[in-house]
Amino acid sequence: GAVVSQHPSWVICKSGTSVKIECRSLDFQATTMFWYRQFPKQSLMLMATSNEGSKATYEQGVEKDKFLINHASLTLSTLTVTSAHPEDSSFYICSARDADYGYTFGSGTRLTVV
Amino acid sequence: QKEVEQDPGPLSVPEGAIVSLNCTYSNSAFQYFMWYRQYSRKGPELLMYTYSSGNKEDGRFTAQVDKSSKYISLFIRDSQPSDSATYLCAMTLSGGSYIPTFGRGTSLIVHP
Repeated sequence: GAVVSQHPSWVICKSGTSVKIECRSLDFQATTMFWYRQFPKQSLMLMATSNEGSKATYEQGVEKDKFLINHASLTLSTLTVTSAHPEDSSFYICSARDADYGYTFGSGTRLTVV
Repeated sequence: QKEVEQDPGPLSVPEGAIVSLNCTYSNSAFQYFMWYRQYSRKGPELLMYTYSSGNKEDGRFTAQVDKSSKYISLFIRDSQPSDSATYLCAMTLSGGSYIPTFGRGTSLIVHP
């Protein structure tokens, strides 16, 4: 089946620094990837839609200057949390749509900002 | 009213029980219906994927869609402790938007 690899799985950073999260589709090409944020015991909150070769589309209320998304190739999208603060601590998950298996998710990244 | 409603639970059952998980939705244009399983601190894993109404079976799992009632279900037979997880329903429109709308997930606990 389709596989989406997400790294790192867990990261701790100091307040004010930036963190980059990578999302790769391993066995299929993904022209579109999605970035979600999930709080404990809550559902997935779509942050942005990442399109290969063009600017990402952000959901209302998501700061595009804080959450930088780059989708430079058909298999790689990155999310950079800039000038991270403790309130940015959360579980971030990427997803990609493939032709056969619907929407496949990465394993998620737990970000803790101290 | 949210587009997709799902009882967060938790739902606690003994091992071997038949589990019924459900979602209701308000948008009759939804055509594709999915069930995901999410273990703690992991990304969701696709379990079942169905199009329009009807049933689909895969091992111990059966997905059921009733478009007339805007109601979907996931049944788990002979539940195991390893089935303990959060189950999220998701649905998308046909053509047009490919962004799925998720329920908030139901936490399932299967105790030995």
